[in-house]
Amino acid sequence: EVQLVESGGGLVQPGGSLRLSCAASGFTFGIYAMSWVRQAPGKGLEWVSATSGGGGNTYYADSVTGRFTISRDNSKNTVYLQLNSLRADDTAVYYCARPSGVTAIFRFAFDIWGQGTMVTVSS
Amino acid sequence: QSALTQPASVSGSPGQSITISCTGTSSDVGGYNYVSWYQQHPGKAPKLMIYDVRNRPSGVSNRFSGSKSGNMASLTISGLQAEDEADYYCSSYTSSNTYAFGTGTKVTVL
Repeated sequence: EVQLVESGGGLVQPGGSLRLSCAASGFTFGIYAMSWVRQAPGKGLEWVSATSGGGGNTYYADSVTGRFTISRDNSKNTVYLQLNSLRADDTAVYYCARPSGVTAIFRFAFDIWGQGTMVTVSS
Repeated sequence: QSALTQPASVSGSPGQSITISCTGTSSDVGGYNYVSWYQQHPGKAPKLMIYDVRNRPSGVSNRFSGSKSGNMASLTISGLQAEDEADYYCSSYTSSNTYAFGTGTKVTVL
């Protein structure tokens, strides 16, 4: 079964850090770009970051550039999102998502989503 | 990086058809045929319903259809059913090498 399972969320103080993980199974992980998408409570979806299959190319939304870092370990079938300098408006459910194709990073829609992990930034 | 514009809510009676619009710019919706639509029930992850403007993934009902004209894409749900009540989001590739999502539309089945 194709599956993504996120972990690492929790409560953190403003200015703090957190590392999210997304473990993949059921498909050839290393040939797929992977993305993180977040959703603040009661709000819409916001794309956050993407990494190429090999991890050599990374992309970020303006709202997180310089604070978040995406990485991946293809030997562990896992993609990570390091969240630094967290702010209250980073509070959200963070989903990892897999595109439906492999030939280009942003060419494809997301056909596989994890269940999400909640990050709460509050003092 | 601006969100694509969707109506906040759309409603219809069972059996009716409804259409949700998604307005962007020539740098996203209008510039590429990489528009997708997602359905999200409360507390659940999004589900892909339409990709590349008008294509349905395997398993998605043919009651869902997509189209695009200029900078606006649309999702039509025909034969509305109670299970269609959910939030719907459009998404598009952008010229900035990012994804843009829509503001979201709550569909209510009366």
